[in-house]
Amino acid sequence: DTGVSQDPRHKITKRGQNVTFRCDPISEHNRLYWYRQTLGQGPEFLTYFQNEAQLEKSRLLSDRFSAERPKGSFSTLEIQRTEQGDSAMYLCASSLRTGDLYEQYFGPGTRLTVT
Amino acid sequence: KQEVTQIPAALSVPEGENLVLNCSFTDSAIYNLQWFRQDPGKGLTSLLLIQSSQREQTSGRLNASLDKSSGRSTLYIAASQPGDSATYLCAVTVKGVSGYSTLTFGKGTMLLVSP
Repeated sequence: DTGVSQDPRHKITKRGQNVTFRCDPISEHNRLYWYRQTLGQGPEFLTYFQNEAQLEKSRLLSDRFSAERPKGSFSTLEIQRTEQGDSAMYLCASSLRTGDLYEQYFGPGTRLTVT
Repeated sequence: KQEVTQIPAALSVPEGENLVLNCSFTDSAIYNLQWFRQDPGKGLTSLLLIQSSQREQTSGRLNASLDKSSGRSTLYIAASQPGDSATYLCAVTVKGVSGYSTLTFGKGTMLLVSP
């Protein structure tokens, strides 16, 4: 399977715990994105990497959130001291620029529940 | 700030009907527009991508149009089937504050096609 993969698919954690999610993009894609989606809403942009460089961060990405993409391959998103408001689906996407095309391909998401 | 609105929020139709989903956006400075499908609890599947220079794209029973100057797009589904039941999301690719492209999504239209 050459699609975007995410791990874990589901995570239940207690408030105050730290969690880390992983995203493996399509192998030749140099751009990687993280989005957050809450119930009944569309996904909201969190952060963007081009290769290993984190080039943009949304104001939604508080100090408790950190993302990395070492070596420009897989990426991790860590949430420290989780709060109930962090409960959401976390989506990863990757893309490869082709001319003016910016088509993003999404993974299945990680659903986080904070109790 | 770019805002994307989708109408209607929900739609229920009998099998076989042709239907139209609407999407509007406030800033016409977009690179492209994508329509996605999302099944409950799942990630996003890209259906169609329209570049800003294009007027429409077709894939099977789906046809998407784009009127960039008026900030509107429609997704036309012909001969709907129960398997089309899902949430349909519209997203535009825009330049973020750092100059790099990100997706801005609408809240989606939840479609139910009954047999």
